[in-house]
Amino acid sequence: QVTLRESGPALVKPTQTLTLTCTFSGFSLDTSGMSVSWIRQPPGKALEWLARIDWDDDKYFNTSLKTRLTISKDTSKNQVVLTMTNMDPVDTATYYCARIPPYSSGACDIWGQGTVVTVSS
Amino acid sequence: EIVMTQSPATLSVSPGERATLSCRASQSVVSNLAWYQQKPGQSPRLLIYAASTRATGIPARFSGSGSGTEFTLTISGLRSEDSAVYYCHQYNNWPPSVTFGGGTRVEIK
Repeated sequence: QVTLRESGPALVKPTQTLTLTCTFSGFSLDTSGMSVSWIRQPPGKALEWLARIDWDDDKYFNTSLKTRLTISKDTSKNQVVLTMTNMDPVDTATYYCARIPPYSSGACDIWGQGTVVTVSS
Repeated sequence: EIVMTQSPATLSVSPGERATLSCRASQSVVSNLAWYQQKPGQSPRLLIYAASTRATGIPARFSGSGSGTEFTLTISGLRSEDSAVYYCHQYNNWPPSVTFGGGTRVEIK
């Protein structure tokens, strides 16, 4: 069974750096063609893609957020970590990680439950 | 950035009828398009990928079509449990680019 679970602080202050961890099971990020993406959703709004890391450590970022984002993986721990610097109240959202399997070519087939992050002083 | 525009914003359909949701891309995404269903308080659920391939466990009453810039999600024989927001998602891989549409809310009359 494939599962993903996001973890991180529920509340961060403006200008702080957010670090989120996606812990997954049921698949390996060493598998050729496998990827994990981060997506967020502000309250009542649409989904916004943030970043993706591939099995071969290729990384891709939302162009408008690229300067604030880093993504990394630890295959031994089955984790993907996203950091976002200089947090602002507009970054308040539910943050999801999702798997992109080789067969889908880019679609996210399994999503985590999401973690709610509020940015407030 | 490729902009995905979904229409209508809200669709109200009677049980048993057909719902037709549209998604338009600002430039061709070939067939690199997925559809997701999101119910309140839940994570998105993959319905369709590669424009027309149903994901595992998705009923046949959900179907996707289109290519290039125009895509459609059709839900036949609408049921009460289909009440949700539906998002399209383009993942055209070269150059790497991923964007979601603004969503269509499907309401059951």
